[in-house]
Amino acid sequence: DAGVTQSPTHLIKTRGQHVTLRCSPISGHKSVSWYQQVLGQGPQFIFQYYEKEERGRGNFPDRFSARQFPNYSSELNVNALLLGDSALYLCASSWTGAVNTEAFFGQGTRLTVV
Amino acid sequence: AQSVTQLDSQVPVFEEAPVELRCNYSSSVSVYLFWYVQYPNQGLQLLLKYLSGSTLVKGINGFEAEFNKSQTSFHLRKPSVHISDTAEYFCAVSDPYNQGGKLIFGQGTELSVKP
Repeated sequence: DAGVTQSPTHLIKTRGQHVTLRCSPISGHKSVSWYQQVLGQGPQFIFQYYEKEERGRGNFPDRFSARQFPNYSSELNVNALLLGDSALYLCASSWTGAVNTEAFFGQGTRLTVV
Repeated sequence: AQSVTQLDSQVPVFEEAPVELRCNYSSSVSVYLFWYVQYPNQGLQLLLKYLSGSTLVKGINGFEAEFNKSQTSFHLRKPSVHISDTAEYFCAVSDPYNQGGKLIFGQGTELSVKP
């Protein structure tokens, strides 16, 4: 079975641009979470979606938004990119999104803002 | 708010030696605790988790961790490490009553196993 897949794996953007990152969860998983991992730090929670509705939001500015589609895939959008948005963006999927169910992580999208 | 402190940013150790990676969390009425491993250029993989019950939790790859409520700690141990254990290790905590499934991670500990 395919694991969590994220695309693209790497991309470079210029300050002020917009970016869309994509995530396909494991088949049957209905919850997707997004995390930002800045170099040298632990992942920081951005969003969680379950059954196409936002269930949780971290302490990130409104430039960050996400959505989940009927097939449970998800997009993370970041507007007006800043240099500080450079990071590894991780997507995790799970059956229900409850914390007592295992979250499976993708390999991430490495975003570099120049 | 919950927080996690990993007391060592880097832990060098020789192959076949024992290792302990330390993790402390801010106190709460109840918590769920996790250890994840991240190999270079990969995502996170769950090593083990504590939800309730026995305070000694066994995970994959020979790792185990002990939940100590009085010390608010959840240290990760392995009696004999291999070169292949070289990776970044993250401790994480979550509120059982949080519907959003949010995991709060520590800063990570880089385990370097030398021959």
